[in-house]
Amino acid sequence: DSGVTQTPKHLITATGQRVTLRCSPRSGDLSVYWYQQSLDQGLQFLIQYYNGEERAKGNILERFSAQQFPDLHSELNLSSLELGDSALYFCASSGLQGGNTIYFGEGSWLTVV
Amino acid sequence: QKEVEQDPGPLSVPEGAIVSLNCTYSNSAFQYFMWYRQYSRKGPELLMYTYSSGNKEDGRFTAQVDKSSKYISLFIRDSQPSDSATYLCAMGVSASGSARQLTFGSGTQLTVLP
Repeated sequence: DSGVTQTPKHLITATGQRVTLRCSPRSGDLSVYWYQQSLDQGLQFLIQYYNGEERAKGNILERFSAQQFPDLHSELNLSSLELGDSALYFCASSGLQGGNTIYFGEGSWLTVV
Repeated sequence: QKEVEQDPGPLSVPEGAIVSLNCTYSNSAFQYFMWYRQYSRKGPELLMYTYSSGNKEDGRFTAQVDKSSKYISLFIRDSQPSDSATYLCAMGVSASGSARQLTFGSGTQLTVLP
């Protein structure tokens, strides 16, 4: 158990809909990362937040947004969903004490039908 | 060309074999290197982490980094069926402050046969 908690574990929704994925980082970790893993693209970095502020942005679509709240949990919002958005979405966290080590949650499996 | 290239596999070996998994990279800015193990539809689990050239050993696992050749390897000794998983290499630039995004290889699927 990495200590990173993600909900929901599985989600099925229709095209055009909006979903929110939630992540609680490891206790004490200030950084939260979101990654997308699909069969054809591998593990792709989406976005990073550090102590509530956006710190780095990767290949995140404009239809997707994220935020980190004062209690350090994070949410990834996916809107106007398309079939191609079906993937595993991972949250990860790291802290200064952990150096560069990044720990992953178990993921949220999104299926868009 | 991808920043990180990883042998795609799949790789199948008998129990007890020595396994060699490899990645090459093109970005000279990468300073730290990790290996993750991922079981089917589970979160990646950190196996090894190193930021210097040379070897780092942890039990049956040895991570090797050659920065001059931009090549990293993971060796698994005495492989077990429980080692069957996808192995992902990952690399990062040690940016200032707190930015620590990782770039991943595409993963190598390993099966250890009993």
